[in-house]
Amino acid sequence: TQLLEQSPQFLSIQEGENLTVYCNSSSVFSSLQWYRQEPGEGPVLLVTVVTGGEVKKLKRLTFQFGDARKDSSLHITAAQPGDTGLYLCAGKGAGGTSYGKLTFGQGTILTVHP
Amino acid sequence: KAGVTQTPRYLIKTRGQQVTLSCSPISGHRSVSWYQQTPGQGLQFLFEYFSETQRNKGNFPGRFSGRQFSNSRSEMNVSTLELGDSALYLCASSSGVGADTQYFGPGTRLTVL
Repeated sequence: TQLLEQSPQFLSIQEGENLTVYCNSSSVFSSLQWYRQEPGEGPVLLVTVVTGGEVKKLKRLTFQFGDARKDSSLHITAAQPGDTGLYLCAGKGAGGTSYGKLTFGQGTILTVHP
Repeated sequence: KAGVTQTPRYLIKTRGQQVTLSCSPISGHRSVSWYQQTPGQGLQFLFEYFSETQRNKGNFPGRFSGRQFSNSRSEMNVSTLELGDSALYLCASSSGVGADTQYFGPGTRLTVL
């Protein structure tokens, strides 16, 4: 069974601060995805990273996939109250019984105070 | 294009009962995956269906089952409900098996008393 450890679990920051969320595993993933989920809704895909070392930017959000495809990070610059939500990372299994299955991290609840 | 729809949105059942949840994928999508989300375990993969066949399965007991119809709509059934089955059940659709882009529905909140 693949595990994806996400940290921190909770983040409470002031508007304008920067933050980083981490996802780590001992398993290799064929791709890693980041989602954002708001109360009462399903997760919404933010980005998919596929290549080891890949960096993708989405406005103030920067996503990085580790060289070995075992870890990833999400960095938010100058956080805004609208960034508040649950952030989830999910790795797609690269082989064996985990092939093609998505393993989710526990999630990071981000609260950005005005 | 309409998104993924799930019915019902909320459900209250008692232990020992069974429940059926429904999911209609985005038009043209043939793959439907089901997930269970709880505060303690997070989001866990249940199973994936494509062209009416189960293509992938998570580590859940046999009380959890599903099926997919020819129009790609899917149902999930949980028999002999336990208190621990209380969760948000999410359905996601995608264009193919194991596709990177999955579109999630709003979920069905199941409470077992």
